[in-house]
This record gives sequence, structure tokens and C-alpha cells, in this order.
Amino acid sequence: IAGITQAPTSQILAAGRRMTLRCTQDMRHNAMYWYRQDLGLGLRLIHYSNTAGTTGKGEVPDGYSVSRANTDDFPLTLASAVPSQTSVYFCASSDDGGKADTQYFGPGTRLTVL
Amino acid sequence: GDSVTQMEGPVTLSEEAFLTINCTYTATGYPSLFWYVQYPGEGLQLLLKATKADDKGSNKGFEATYRKETTSFHLEKGSVQVSDSAVYFCALSDSRRALTFGSGTRLQVQP
Repeated sequence: IAGITQAPTSQILAAGRRMTLRCTQDMRHNAMYWYRQDLGLGLRLIHYSNTAGTTGKGEVPDGYSVSRANTDDFPLTLASAVPSQTSVYFCASSDDGGKADTQYFGPGTRLTVL
Repeated sequence: GDSVTQMEGPVTLSEEAFLTINCTYTATGYPSLFWYVQYPGEGLQLLLKATKADDKGSNKGFEATYRKETTSFHLEKGSVQVSDSAVYFCALSDSRRALTFGSGTRLQVQP
């Protein structure tokens, strides 16, 4: 069982370019999340999905979009990247999104926008 | 809104020393509380959790008690090892949406 996979592992991107970060889970979890991790700020929620076909905005959604066409995949798209989006991005999933649920994290994508 | 405050690091200890990492929270409801650990180059993984007041979470020699009266969830370990070197995140969940994290505390254990 792979758990959660993310791709790419790292990427350097020119400002203004479009980029999609991929996330796939094989645990049949209903809820999925995207966080960004910045030094000294911990992890902040970008977008979430409680079940396939639904999405919601987190704490820092501007400049990002997501889709949830099926249970397993939850891609994050930067329509026009800016340097402030340089960060490490983590995808996570949990069984049903309840407040006691354990979230399982992917290995992360390190993105640098120049 | 919800927030989590944890002590700034890095915390540097010698092997077999006692560890405490403080964590306090602000939440409008009755949150579940978590400690996640991030080893170098990896994603986060759950260390322990507690879902109601006075619950104690424990795992791998670490423990934390949910204290509603002091809104705290301090992480403790009696004897740390070099392999415990990592970044530790306190977090809460007070809704069905996601976790609210503290800023993280880096622990460095020296042999």
C-alpha cells in the first residue's frame, strides 16, 4: 500500500507559468487536503475536499484551485505562479474528515517560483 | 478563530534528557488535539492524539494530556534519543474541515 503519493518531488518554475501538483491516495479516504509549509509558520490549509465532487477554501486559497473528480485524486493548480508561492506543499487525506480523524500526509513537493 | 501556539525552537538536548514541548490552543468548540512529527526530508506523521478533556495520548514513549482548564497539550518524553531529532507540530481540529497547526518546534538530540 503506497498511501499518498505526490508529484513532482520538486520543481523550479518561472513566474507566470501554470503548474499542477498531483496527489493520489489509495486508502479510499473521503477527505483530502492541501497545505503549504513555510518556515516559522507551520502548515496552512489551502483547499480541502470532504468527498469526491466537493471542494472548499482553506486559510490561504488565493492563487490556487483544486478539483476532486474521483476519490483518489486531488490535484492542486497554480494558474499563474508568483514568487510568494515558493513553498513546500503537502497533500493529506483522512477517512471522513471528522475532527478526531488522523490525517495521513504525502512526502511533499518543493516548489520554487523565480 | 482557532489557533495553536507552541514554544519556539530549536530545543537542544543530550541523549536521555527529559523533554517538554509546550503547546496551548484557542478554539471556540471542543477540539481534538494532535502532535505530529516530521523527520528530515519526510512528510508529517501522527505521533499521538487526544479527543476529549483529560484524555492522555501516548506513543513511542511520548505522551500529552488534554487540559481543558489551561487549554494546553504539552508533549513530554522521559528519555530522548538521537532518533527523536525532528520537528514536532501541535495541532487541533475543531471542525470537519482540517487541522490548525502551530509553527513547529525543532528538537535536536545530541549523543
